[in-house]
Amino acid sequence: DGGITQSPKYLFRKEGQNVTLSCEQNLNHDAMYWYRQDPGQGLRLIYYSQIVNDFQKGDIAEGYSVSREKKESFPLTVTSAQKNPTAFYLCATHGGRREKLFFGSGTQLSVL
Amino acid sequence: EDKVVQSPLSLVVHEGDTVTLNCSYEVTNFRSLLWYKQEKKAPTFLFMLTSSGIEKKSGRLSSILDKKELSSILNITATQTGDSAIYLCAEKFGNEKLTFGTGTRLTIIP
Repeated sequence: DGGITQSPKYLFRKEGQNVTLSCEQNLNHDAMYWYRQDPGQGLRLIYYSQIVNDFQKGDIAEGYSVSREKKESFPLTVTSAQKNPTAFYLCATHGGRREKLFFGSGTQLSVL
Repeated sequence: EDKVVQSPLSLVVHEGDTVTLNCSYEVTNFRSLLWYKQEKKAPTFLFMLTSSGIEKKSGRLSSILDKKELSSILNITATQTGDSAIYLCAEKFGNEKLTFGTGTRLTIIP
């Protein structure tokens, strides 16, 4: 969606490697989210942040880490502890309690 | 943990048919229910429902929330091949967390 940029579109991870997925937004939104989508499944929440320098674990946070040092940026690191990282990763934001979620175009992560 | 359940998981119909997709939720602090359409990559927003019994419409698509039954339906009339997609239902509750269902994969046959 306009205003949310995820990169890269495709990413390959070697065994034991940490990789970082980028999510940048210029919508001036406070809340940012990371979701994981496996084939044939819905979206599962990994981490979310409602304000700079603060974030909370979602339902499947194990093996992932995030930071929120700037309002515009919410990078997700897939660590070597995540044993099954192959999935489609979506970043999203919203601007307030009555706002819908806006999604980025996603990153497909695969394991080599 | 709050849970969102969608049914059916998949649906195949012919062009021109009408379809009804279902979403049920368990809630302790409900705020709103949202419907999204996902064709390829990013889900696109369809509806946000906060009040029970009020139908929201957009062209051939409509949705309604039943807070008593803790459910919502998404109707698509006169379906077209462009309606083929995964339809996601999500519930937003107290702490602004959005919980998604598994989605319904809709396939429209010409």
